Amino acid sequence: QKEVEQNSGPLSVPEGAIASLNCTYSDRGSQSFFWYRQYSGKSPELIMSIYSNGDKEDGRFTAQLNKASQYVSLLIRDSQPSDSATYLCAVTPPYNTDKLIFGTGTRLQVFP
Amino acid sequence: KAGVTQTPRYLIKTRGQQVTLSCSPISGHRSVSWYQQTPGQGLQFLFEYFSETQRNKGNFPGRFSGRQFSNSRSEMNVSTLELGDSALYLCASSLAPGLYNEQFFGPGTRLTVL
Repeated sequence: QKEVEQNSGPLSVPEGAIASLNCTYSDRGSQSFFWYRQYSGKSPELIMSIYSNGDKEDGRFTAQLNKASQYVSLLIRDSQPSDSATYLCAVTPPYNTDKLIFGTGTRLQVFP
Repeated sequence: KAGVTQTPRYLIKTRGQQVTLSCSPISGHRSVSWYQQTPGQGLQFLFEYFSETQRNKGNFPGRFSGRQFSNSRSEMNVSTLELGDSALYLCASSLAPGLYNEQFFGPGTRLTVL
């Protein structure tokens, strides 16, 4: 079982819709969770961090964390074509809090 | 505030050579981590430095090494290059190591080994 799992996609949504990206992790003791956006040919860009159960909102982005279910998600409201990118979920494992374990990413396509 | 900078941006080397990559963290950030990104393996942790000390190392062979200087700048070195070392090498900086510290990535160095 991979430590961090994401559906590779592509996830295709129309412009203006809500895009929902999901991530599960295997280490129950994980405490820190991050979402990165990576455009093709570019480096990952940090979008959100979340540490407590529940929702955290920042503009059009909402991160949701459920530690009991070992599940973290990212919602993008009013999706724009410029949101088309690969979204990477990253988790800090309990056995090494200095590193990030990344999922393989979900490719999001927003069509006009 | 300037972001993370990495040099060079692109490198082409041949098998058996060695390479040194450089990373300057965000001003005030003292922790530097290195990651390798390939299409097959995704993003994988190489090592992390703080206060000129390597705190953690990922599951990579000893050909991969690094160091950090007193100004927090970091270098990583790969010796005896293999074809499989072709990848995007990313440096990430954070204020300090630890549980809640966000890591910010530089633009990366794309290494091609021929």
